[in-house]
Amino acid sequence: RKEVEQDPGPFNVPEGATVAFNCTYSNSASQSFFWYRQDCRKEPKLLMSVYSSGNEDGRFTAQLNRASQYISLLIRDSKLSDSATYLCVVNRAVNKLIFGTGTLLAVQP
Amino acid sequence: DAGVIQSPRHEVTEMGQEVTLRCKPISGHDYLFWYRQTMMRGLELLIYFNNNVPIDDSGMPEDRFSAKMPNASFSTLKIQPSEPRDSAVYFCASSFLQNGELFFGEGSRLTVL
Repeated sequence: RKEVEQDPGPFNVPEGATVAFNCTYSNSASQSFFWYRQDCRKEPKLLMSVYSSGNEDGRFTAQLNRASQYISLLIRDSKLSDSATYLCVVNRAVNKLIFGTGTLLAVQP
Repeated sequence: DAGVIQSPRHEVTEMGQEVTLRCKPISGHDYLFWYRQTMMRGLELLIYFNNNVPIDDSGMPEDRFSAKMPNASFSTLKIQPSEPRDSAVYFCASSFLQNGELFFGEGSRLTVL
């Protein structure tokens, strides 16, 4: 079983839709959590950190459920420019960021 | 500001050849990471350095892989001899905080025939 698991998708949604991704992690000792975004044939970039109380950044909302060991990302009012792969990332130990294989989002006009 | 700079961007080589990938981290960043990305396995951490010292190389697949950081502005990842299964995109990343945001280079796409 992979340490960080994501549904690979693709998620095909129309512009303006709300879409949610989930991610599960296996190591209960994990301390910090992130979502990175990776455009096709580009490098990953930090989208947002995920805090225990949940956090929002514009149209993006991230939530953490430590008891169930899952992390979610909600995107409201999807834009064409949101099309990318979203990587769930867990910090297993000091400087050991473990990346999921990503969920592909395709926003259709 | 210049980001993380990697070279070469693309490399095609034959099995058995030596491959050297290069990375210049962002100035002032104390941490440097080498990752490998494939479709099947996603992003895997190979090794990371703090202040030019290798801290964790447990992700290095085997002895054919080696990494060095002779100074704060330069690192290399070497594969000798290369094999077709080494084909992947190799990313270098740096950060200035422990457990901080990673800033990735554009990657080096390696194809071993």
